[in-house]
Amino acid sequence: GAVVSQHPSRVICKSGTSVKIECRSLDFQATTMFWYRQFPKQSLMLMATSNEGSKATYEQGVEKDKFLINHASLTLSTLTVTSAHPEDSSFYICSARDREAELAKNIQYFGAGTRLSVL
Amino acid sequence: ILNVEQSPQSLHVQEGDSTNFTCSFPSSNFYALHWYRWETAKSPEALFVMTLNGDEKKKGRISATLNTKEGYSYLYIKGSQPEDSATYLCAFIGVVGTGRRALTFGSGTRLQVQP
Repeated sequence: GAVVSQHPSRVICKSGTSVKIECRSLDFQATTMFWYRQFPKQSLMLMATSNEGSKATYEQGVEKDKFLINHASLTLSTLTVTSAHPEDSSFYICSARDREAELAKNIQYFGAGTRLSVL
Repeated sequence: ILNVEQSPQSLHVQEGDSTNFTCSFPSSNFYALHWYRWETAKSPEALFVMTLNGDEKKKGRISATLNTKEGYSYLYIKGSQPEDSATYLCAFIGVVGTGRRALTFGSGTRLQVQP
């Protein structure tokens, strides 16, 4: 089955530092990748959609300059939380959709998530 | 923001019990509904993709039904086992704006099966 690898699984950092999270599709080409954030006891909230080779589309209320997304290849997307602050502490998870997505009705393959704690 | 609700929020059952939970979603602009199973410290894994009103899907002891006219889907687990313990997420895909499809997750039902 399709595998998505997400690293790191956990990161603790000081306020003001930037944190990069990687999302890789290991055995398929991901034309589209998604980044979600989840606060405790809440739903996965879509932050942005990234298409390979083009700029990410951000959801309303998500700061583009705060959450930088790069999708430079068909197998890798990165999310950089710039100048992280305690309120950015959350669970971040990525998913990927392959070229056959239309046939599979947009099924997504998820990474295991990254728990970010900003001190 | 589309309203996708799951109930109950959590469920504790004994091994061997059958159980079911609900996903409610908007009844208009429907494109598809997904069910995912999410075990702790692992990746969410797709269980079912449902697209047609009246769809019934089955995978082993787990099955799901879909009613797009009234906006709900049920997930059933027959004879629950401890390994079924997980959070079950539904995701509604609707058509918004100029044909763009938006995926909205429910907050999940956390199932714990006691041996």
